Amino acid sequence: EAAVTQSPRSKVAVTGGKVTLSCHQTNNHDYMYWYRQDTGHGLRLIHYSYVADSTEKGDIPDGYKASRPSQENFSLILELASLSQTAVYFCASSDRGGNSGNTLYFGEGSRLIVV
Amino acid sequence: TQTVSQSDAHVTVFEGDSVELRCNYSYGGSIYLSWYIQHHGHGLQFLLKYYSGNPVVQGVNGFEAEFSKSDSSFHLRKASVHWSDSAVYFCAVSNMGYKLTFGTGTSLLVDP
Repeated sequence: EAAVTQSPRSKVAVTGGKVTLSCHQTNNHDYMYWYRQDTGHGLRLIHYSYVADSTEKGDIPDGYKASRPSQENFSLILELASLSQTAVYFCASSDRGGNSGNTLYFGEGSRLIVV
Repeated sequence: TQTVSQSDAHVTVFEGDSVELRCNYSYGGSIYLSWYIQHHGHGLQFLLKYYSGNPVVQGVNGFEAEFSKSDSSFHLRKASVHWSDSAVYFCAVSNMGYKLTFGTGTSLLVDP
């Protein structure tokens, strides 16, 4: 049973429109992340959160906002979608980091096409 | 700043062959290294990780990886691949915090 679920799985958006990608986890994890995947770039961290009602910027936060209303839910918001934001977006969760490091549990991805 | 490099974008082998997927990292402090697998159209799944101790770590489905501090490497190996191992493999490095930095991935194709 999937522990990290994303919605929608696929979306076509219009340039300048607002897009919200949602993520729900049942792992009881503190950390949640949003990555985007582009061919040739691997995965790049957009935003992350380690507690409800708090979000942090990752490596490529420009053009994105994030919201963590509860431990289970983490949303990625594109207020003004642009062509360059066409990508596959992955949500992930992990337990607290420690000496053994984090293991991330990923959702199935949300494919966003901006036209 | 931590970086990870996967020099081979594509690797093709025959079923039953052995394979090694290369990963090199750069970071000056203590690090945590891991490998993830992504089947087409799906999210990433954890394979194995290393922080300390035995430099050879075992993962699922017969995969293992070896850490080398002198070479700054964490290569992934499998002795005998199956067609179902065809996927994209990502190496990741973390400085023991929350944040993983991923390589660009190596696409493994196993010809039956």
